[in-house]
Amino acid sequence: SQTIHQWPATLVQPVGSPLSLECTVEGTSNPNLYWYRQAAGRGLQLLFYSVGIGQISSEVPQNLSASRPQDRQFILSSKKLLLSDSGFYLCAWSVRRTGGLGYTFGSGTRLTVV
Amino acid sequence: DAKTTQPPSMDCAEGRAANLPCNHSTISGNEYVYWYRQIHSQGPQYIIHGLKNNETNEMASLIITEDRKSSTLILPHATLRDTAVYYCIVESEKLVFGKGTKLTVNP
Repeated sequence: SQTIHQWPATLVQPVGSPLSLECTVEGTSNPNLYWYRQAAGRGLQLLFYSVGIGQISSEVPQNLSASRPQDRQFILSSKKLLLSDSGFYLCAWSVRRTGGLGYTFGSGTRLTVV
Repeated sequence: DAKTTQPPSMDCAEGRAANLPCNHSTISGNEYVYWYRQIHSQGPQYIIHGLKNNETNEMASLIITEDRKSSTLILPHATLRDTAVYYCIVESEKLVFGKGTKLTVNP
């Protein structure tokens, strides 16, 4: 069965510190991978998506970057965190199959920048 | 931009059916309609999806109009645990969330 792992569950980081959030997928090949952010009381905002190794599309200008070094690994990074980077970060994957694209979300990382 | 519109909030009594509407008037012929829900501080959970025909699973039913410009998610017997934000999404390579409908199930 397909599973998605996202860690850590919670993170508190000082302003100006670096960030690295990792997401890995098991049980599928060549998935589309996504990073979303949800600020407090707000909706889900798509940050990055990837259709293959080394292929990253950015949806919004921001202080973050993403990388996909392996087929089933997606990393969200920042060199220097800002207070506005606080939020709930979700990784998701999808693969086209009969009945359209199915999306599965990780359990999320709650980031607080202090 | 999200390709769907939903009411911002709805209330439902426990044990009654919850009917959540969604408009997707610009949907293309080969695009699916997906429904997800997000319970506070968790990742979105898949509920159901459909293309043209009505669909039913253990969680809900999905009614799609003949012109495919709107759909309704039905939770037949809502429970308190169904309180969540419900998102109606037209499938594309990028899953774009709108603001969803905050459903509150009241005892």
